[in-house]
Amino acid sequence: NAGVTQTPKFRILKIGQSMTLQCTQDMNHNYMYWYRQDPGMGLKLIYYSVGAGITDKGEVPNGYNVSRSTTEDFPLRLELAAPSQTSVYFCASTTGNSQPQHFGDGTRLSIL
Amino acid sequence: AQKITQTQPGMFVQEKEAVTLDCTYDTSDPSYGLFWYKQPSSGEMIFLIYQGSYDQQNATEGRYSLNFQKARKSANLVISASQLGDSAMYFCAMRERGSGGSYIPTFGRGTSLIVHP
Repeated sequence: NAGVTQTPKFRILKIGQSMTLQCTQDMNHNYMYWYRQDPGMGLKLIYYSVGAGITDKGEVPNGYNVSRSTTEDFPLRLELAAPSQTSVYFCASTTGNSQPQHFGDGTRLSIL
Repeated sequence: AQKITQTQPGMFVQEKEAVTLDCTYDTSDPSYGLFWYKQPSSGEMIFLIYQGSYDQQNATEGRYSLNFQKARKSANLVISASQLGDSAMYFCAMRERGSGGSYIPTFGRGTSLIVHP
């Protein structure tokens, strides 16, 4: 099983550029999450989704947008990239409240 | 107030000894869950153990056990017989129901564990 797949693994952006981080899962999980992890820190929730068509903001949503048109896909959009968005981004999914999250391998994003 | 607090930025342990990583939490949701994840230097997040708020017994998974003290809102991870491969960052996480009714996860800042030979 592929699990949670994130693309790309690495990316360098210039300030003001936009990009979409892709996340797809093949486990038919309803819950999906986007996190960012800054150096030496824990994961901070950006956006989450409880099913296709339903998304909501997490702790640090500013500068990001998401959509969930299918159960499998949960892309994260960065508009007008800023140096403060330099981070490692993780996508995760789970079936429900007592189940652990399955994480993708992360996307390392640098904005210069 | 932080929802998940991990007070130990770094811990050192001798190989084959046991180590306890601390985690305290804060929630008003009576039906919450607590998770521990391991993040090796390679970066992936690995699930270790889960404890539900209504679970009567402490969770165990192989060399990992969770010392759950509900009244103290404490969920410490105990690793027995430490191995060199246990060197990693360890994150405590909580799942609680948010205002909209959905389950929201929150992570602590993590504890860096180094196992010495």
